[in-house]
Amino acid sequence: QLVLTQSPSASASLGASVKLTCTLSSGHSSYAIAWHQQQPEKGPRYLMKLNSDGSHSKGDGIPDRFSGSSSGAERYLTISSLQSEDEADYYCQTWGTGYSVFGGGTKLTVL
Amino acid sequence: QVQLVQSGAEVKKPGSSMKVSCKASGGTFSTHGISWVRQAPGQGLEWMGGIIPLLGKVNFAQKFQGRVAISADKSTSTAYMEVSSLRSEDTGVYYCARSAVAGTSGSVWFDPWGQGTLVTVSS
Repeated sequence: QLVLTQSPSASASLGASVKLTCTLSSGHSSYAIAWHQQQPEKGPRYLMKLNSDGSHSKGDGIPDRFSGSSSGAERYLTISSLQSEDEADYYCQTWGTGYSVFGGGTKLTVL
Repeated sequence: QVQLVQSGAEVKKPGSSMKVSCKASGGTFSTHGISWVRQAPGQGLEWMGGIIPLLGKVNFAQKFQGRVAISADKSTSTAYMEVSSLRSEDTGVYYCARSAVAGTSGSVWFDPWGQGTLVTVSS
């Protein structure tokens, strides 16, 4: 079964960097994922598609501060030079034939 | 740039039905799938199902098969999601989202998203 696992919460200081993790279930380590950001009281926003080799393609207007990387079944979203507006929920998404799956989301707090 | 605009908030009685619309502008509508995603209060995102308007092909998450209908009107570039026999657990924000790759529904990443429609089911 295709499942994505995310830590429920993360925190980092203003101006620092943070690395969020999304883990694919066993047997699915070759799958690509997408990262989406949901700021408080807003709809989700596509950040990037991240492949198993770490290559990624970002959405329009996504700052260079956002980057992605991969290692085995883990997919990472790194945000550098954290700003207050980065405080949000971050969801990873993957897909199979005819369906999509979301991780539970990580709530990022900027201290 | 493609933009998705959804219909406004609704308050519904248990047992009734709801229908949410999602109008696309600024791009090609028919060839890219439109998916519907539910977010219960304080919870995460849950994919419900999707449609490829050009083909009329619909896919559902198993949990939502039966009470949910998804359709699309190519003439108005609008997708619809209808839920029948509403219960309190259907309360939440419903988002539409466009498949980033043509010819797919659900089986690809989503970009962009609609602004969301809050549906409250309460007696």
